[in-house]
Amino acid sequence: DAGITQSPRHKVTETGTPVTLRCHQTENHRYMYWYRQDPGHGLRLIHYSYGVKDTDKGEVSDGYSVSRSKTEDFLLTLESATSSQTSVYFCAISPAGGLADFVYFGPGTRLTVT
Amino acid sequence: DQQVKQNSPSLSVQEGRISILNCDYTNSMFDYFLWYKKYPAEGPTFLISISSIKDKNEDGRFTVFLNKSAKHLSLHIVPSQPGDSAVYFCAASGLSNAGNMLTFGGGTRLMVKP
Repeated sequence: DAGITQSPRHKVTETGTPVTLRCHQTENHRYMYWYRQDPGHGLRLIHYSYGVKDTDKGEVSDGYSVSRSKTEDFLLTLESATSSQTSVYFCAISPAGGLADFVYFGPGTRLTVT
Repeated sequence: DQQVKQNSPSLSVQEGRISILNCDYTNSMFDYFLWYKKYPAEGPTFLISISSIKDKNEDGRFTVFLNKSAKHLSLHIVPSQPGDSAVYFCAASGLSNAGNMLTFGGGTRLMVKP
């Protein structure tokens, strides 16, 4: 298994509170991604990173920000959580571009916003 | 509007029989397609892929077929086993997409009955 951990694995928070999810990798892969999974929508890309301090928006980036200060860590922040952000969040990593077969997913974080 | 669609949310198959999972896409820029398998409380794992220059790719019990003119792909599992019971996601990417960003379908839950 690719060395990807996500923390926390489960979180319940209230509307309006800030939340930060952490993704940590031990593979030294260049690319890191945050996806959310919702019923009927599959996984949708929130943000991705192509290097330290290099990030870009995905399909559903509104309400989310990210930071990558080290190769191994990619943080996803919900500045003010809303109920629509209740979801399962997956981090993924990939060693290089043009290698779509080599995208590895973490175990996920289940976030509930009440 | 979803660019990748899996119109069957669930599929039930008898052990030993063939499972056929379908996927349709609308974006003509997609030229690389993947199938992922997901067990509960785990992240998706890569199963098999196909480039748009091919119409078939086989790996053991798993075969993916691509019909470019119909913008349709399918995953065949023969013979189906109870351990194949999982959610299967179809995903698409463009080879010109250097960042390996994936667009996913909504998933199909496969249940293989003993």
